[in-house]
Amino acid sequence: ETGVTQTPRHLVMGMTNKKSLKCEQHLGHNAMYWYKQSAKKPLELMFVYNFKEQTENNSVPSRFSPECPNSSHLFLHLHTLQPEDSALYLCASSQDRRGLETQYFGPGTRLLVL
Amino acid sequence: DQQVKQNSPSLSVQEGRISILNCDYTNSMFDYFLWYKKYPAEGPTFLISISSIKDKNEDGRFTVFLNKSAKHLSLHIVPSQPGDSAVYFCAALAIQGAQKLVFGQGTRLTINP
Repeated sequence: ETGVTQTPRHLVMGMTNKKSLKCEQHLGHNAMYWYKQSAKKPLELMFVYNFKEQTENNSVPSRFSPECPNSSHLFLHLHTLQPEDSALYLCASSQDRRGLETQYFGPGTRLLVL
Repeated sequence: DQQVKQNSPSLSVQEGRISILNCDYTNSMFDYFLWYKKYPAEGPTFLISISSIKDKNEDGRFTVFLNKSAKHLSLHIVPSQPGDSAVYFCAALAIQGAQKLVFGQGTRLTINP
């Protein structure tokens, strides 16, 4: 049990749908991250939140919209996605933005866009 | 442009032997390197790290070697056990820079009994 949970674990959506991915951490961490892992590609950092403030957006298309209402929860809102957005979306947390070696990952949400 | 590369997508090793996973990087600003291990249906878990001021870091059966001149690092697992079967990701970051973890594509390690 890593202390980072993600729901749903699997999601299938059409290109016109709107859905949200949820991440929750029970570790008392202050930094949270969204990563994307496409098939045969490295993990790609998407967004970083530190103390509920977004500190990094790695040129992610606007059809992905993060939300961090508090330091324990992180959402990724999805709308009008494309089939190439199908991937494993991983959430992670760390004590703070500098604690990169101690990022704890959730199990991921496997997303399929039809 | 992929800054961290793991050129072997898969590796198969006999139980009890040594497993060697390799990673190459191109960005000379990277000064901290990490290995993560990932089982199916789970997120990656941190395994071991090394700072650029060292060339070796050991933790039990796991040793990471860093060759800065060659921009190469490797993870040695000895002796290999069936529970080591997983995908291993190499990652790097520049502590003085953006501190963004850059991951390799991963190597799937299979330990055969």
